Amino acid sequence: EADIYQTPRYLVIGTGKKITLECSQTMGHDKMYWYQQDPGMELHLIHYSYGVNSTEKGDLSSESTVSRIRTEHFPLTLESARPSHTSQYLCASSDPGRVETQYFGPGTRLLVL
Amino acid sequence: AQSVTQLGSHVSVSEGALVLLRCNYSSSVPPYLFWYVQYPNQGLQLLLKYTSAATLVKGINGFEAEFKKSETSFHLTKPSAHMSDAAEYFCAVSGPGNNRKLIWGLGTSLAVNP
Repeated sequence: EADIYQTPRYLVIGTGKKITLECSQTMGHDKMYWYQQDPGMELHLIHYSYGVNSTEKGDLSSESTVSRIRTEHFPLTLESARPSHTSQYLCASSDPGRVETQYFGPGTRLLVL
Repeated sequence: AQSVTQLGSHVSVSEGALVLLRCNYSSSVPPYLFWYVQYPNQGLQLLLKYTSAATLVKGINGFEAEFKKSETSFHLTKPSAHMSDAAEYFCAVSGPGNNRKLIWGLGTSLAVNP
């Protein structure tokens, strides 16, 4: 099972602030993902990466950006936070092989005032 | 195209009763199917997965699911609900091709009444 960490767990910030949500995993997984989860539970893929220097936009358009400079690290950045960005953000990584299983971090709950 | 439908956004059972959470899928290729659980203020945890081996899959916490190709279903069951089973449950199918992104259901919220 993957060990995957997210910080901070909770964040309350004002509109216009720049924020970075951290995600790290210790299993050496190449594939990593960011999901946005609304209060109604639905998961939306917003970014993914297949390895170092690889990033792709997901199915839901997002104003956030990501980077993948190191295998274990996949931070998500919002240059100017807005109340519409209020949500829970979940990071995941998947193991290689025929059946790629995604393992999730604990999530970051973001509130933009 | 792949899709997942979870019937019932909210399910309520009594403690000790059978838990049945429904998931139907659509897939153009032999699917890999997953059930995840999410407890309040936490990430998702893998309950079990179907990988085209045995059609009855056993997972953690006493849960199991049966893959039925003829019904395109992968329902999650537990014989006797416990209060600690109250959580959100998500069904997902692995997408086609090399990327294997997960296609998610909308989730089912399970309440367990004493």
